[in-house]
Amino acid sequence: GQNIDQPTEMTATEGAIVQINCTYQTSGFNGLFWYQQHAGEAPTFLSYNVLDGLEEKGRFSSFLSRSKGYSYLLLKELQMKDSASYLCAVAGDQGGKLIFGQGTELSVKP
Amino acid sequence: DSGVTQTPKHLITATGQRVTLRCSPRSGDLSVYWYQQSLDQGLQFLIQYYNGEERAKGNILERFSAQQFPDLHSELNLSSLELGDSALYFCASSHARERAVNTEAFFGQGTRLTVV
Repeated sequence: GQNIDQPTEMTATEGAIVQINCTYQTSGFNGLFWYQQHAGEAPTFLSYNVLDGLEEKGRFSSFLSRSKGYSYLLLKELQMKDSASYLCAVAGDQGGKLIFGQGTELSVKP
Repeated sequence: DSGVTQTPKHLITATGQRVTLRCSPRSGDLSVYWYQQSLDQGLQFLIQYYNGEERAKGNILERFSAQQFPDLHSELNLSSLELGDSALYFCASSHARERAVNTEAFFGQGTRLTVV
């Protein structure tokens, strides 16, 4: 089967750093994506990892360990606008199809 | 703006009815995906089309069907609607080829379907 797990919700303080973890078990693997979704809006792409290691993109970084079936999204210098749901998604064994986790609802407080 | 257009934005209909949701992918994208997002569930993959042909199927009910037309726009048809079909329906498109390296999917703004 296919399973993607991430925490349901997290709270962090403005200006701080937060790490959102994701573990996955899928029948195939063609990369892991992180998306940000504000309530009622479309998911927007944040990052893509297909090889082990860290990908950095401004305040956002994403890490992947394929042997452990594990990824995390690191958000630095948190801003209030970062309050959103963060979705971990795996591209499985069929071209382009993404399997999403339930999402982690991040609340950034002053 | 992702470049993916979905219409309508909102739809309210009664149980037992049939509706059609429409999606225009980004220019040049051959792959179109449909996802359902209910309040208590994450994004659930429904179906994928690539250049007019069905490529992958997820947890799509038999009451639901989709197609992709020669101009690459896609339609999702939902019939015999039930209260539980109320959800946000997203369309996404990407450059992803049949079995090649995956690229990011760009999502439309979604159609919010309410079945009453």
